[in-house]
Amino acid sequence: EAQVTQNPRYLITVTGKKLTVTCSQNMNHEYMSWYRQDPGLGLRQIYYSMNVEATDKGDVPEGYKVSRKEKRNFPLILESPSPNQTSLYFCASSLSRGPAYEQYFGPGTRLTVT
Amino acid sequence: AQSVTQLGSHVSVSEGALVLLRCNYSSSVPPYLFWYVQYPNQGLQLLLKYTSAATLVKGINGFEAEFKKSETSFHLTKPSAHMSDAAEYFCAVSGDTGRRALTFGSGTRLQVQP
Repeated sequence: EAQVTQNPRYLITVTGKKLTVTCSQNMNHEYMSWYRQDPGLGLRQIYYSMNVEATDKGDVPEGYKVSRKEKRNFPLILESPSPNQTSLYFCASSLSRGPAYEQYFGPGTRLTVT
Repeated sequence: AQSVTQLGSHVSVSEGALVLLRCNYSSSVPPYLFWYVQYPNQGLQLLLKYTSAATLVKGINGFEAEFKKSETSFHLTKPSAHMSDAAEYFCAVSGDTGRRALTFGSGTRLQVQP
């Protein structure tokens, strides 16, 4: 089954404790992206990747890191999480970077930072 | 720069009634427009997309949307609401091929009353 998977689905952590949220897609997609969803704000892009070893900042990159060493994986790293990073996170992938291609979303990771 | 405005954060309809969810966009380039649906505790699923082939776009689950350039609108409709349509709906625009970002509206939560 074609899908985007994320782990963990739920995570509660404390301020300053480094964490990684994994994202993997099995569709051989070039483009991958991370979004955060907050009430009343919709989804905002954190980082994106056009292909392996090609990543760039989105609209809200502060406090986050990413890497793309393999085509299928795109982990999101919070090196020193803070309470304002409490949010619902979605990974997405797309066949190509062309704007007509729809993005496929993972099931989401709900992160709480205390 | 591109942006999306969804009028009405909450919409309530009776089962069998017309569903109308409003979306207006702003884009400096010809836009590609999407509607996504998010069911509780799930990721986003594509309902339909506009990529300039036809102004009236039909999607899954009986939904359709009409692109109106003069009004910069892409409203989502369904003739007869079902209880299973209760979800949050997001309109999104894509056009910046450099970043391949989707810019989302803030979402509309649809409630269907029996």
